[in-house]
Amino acid sequence: AQSVTQLDSHVSVSEGTPVLLRCNYSSSYSPSLFWYVQHPNKGLQLLLKYTSAATLVKGINGFEAEFKKSETSFHLTKPSAHMSDAAEYFCVVRTGGSYIPTFGRGTSLIVHP
Amino acid sequence: DGGITQSPKYLFRKEGQNVTLSCEQNLNHDAMYWYRQDPGQGLRLIYYSQIVNDFQKGDIAEGYSVSREKKESFPLTVTSAQKNPTAFYLCASSRQGALDTEAFFGQGTRLTVV
Repeated sequence: AQSVTQLDSHVSVSEGTPVLLRCNYSSSYSPSLFWYVQHPNKGLQLLLKYTSAATLVKGINGFEAEFKKSETSFHLTKPSAHMSDAAEYFCVVRTGGSYIPTFGRGTSLIVHP
Repeated sequence: DGGITQSPKYLFRKEGQNVTLSCEQNLNHDAMYWYRQDPGQGLRLIYYSQIVNDFQKGDIAEGYSVSREKKESFPLTVTSAQKNPTAFYLCASSRQGALDTEAFFGQGTRLTVV
């Protein structure tokens, strides 16, 4: 079985400050991990993915994430938040046991001026 | 351009009525998925299909039905048995058996019961 836990339902930051969105996964197989972003009433856009290559993954719009197997974590970071980053973020896992994308409950990022 | 098209964008259903949500992809993907999104609950899997003429129930299949007669198409029917259908519905597709590739999503259909 595979699962994802996003540790915060809401994260609030000021524009220009760092962003940290936390994700822990559970899997019996080596996972592939993904972060998606969703703006209101829109579909999901891929930010970045980890697929067993480099553990530090860089994505679009200045986001990056680090895969830590010992901690079963895949936290998303950005050095400086922008107002346009305000959105819902989803951590997703796929494994060889299922292949079906399994989603966390999402983290709403709020950016204050 | 390759992608996934969902229609309609907004849909209104009367009590006791069946409605069908369309999902079409031109990415040549074998696997397709339907998810339901409710506030604070993330995306929950309704049905998925890994190959034409085959599909499997997901976590919340009750009150829904699907078909997969063509590789490109995976329509979802919300039946009158679904007691709380108001939600945002997302269709996705991916390469089957390829863990290192992501799922691609449509823009969603918002269904409201009136």
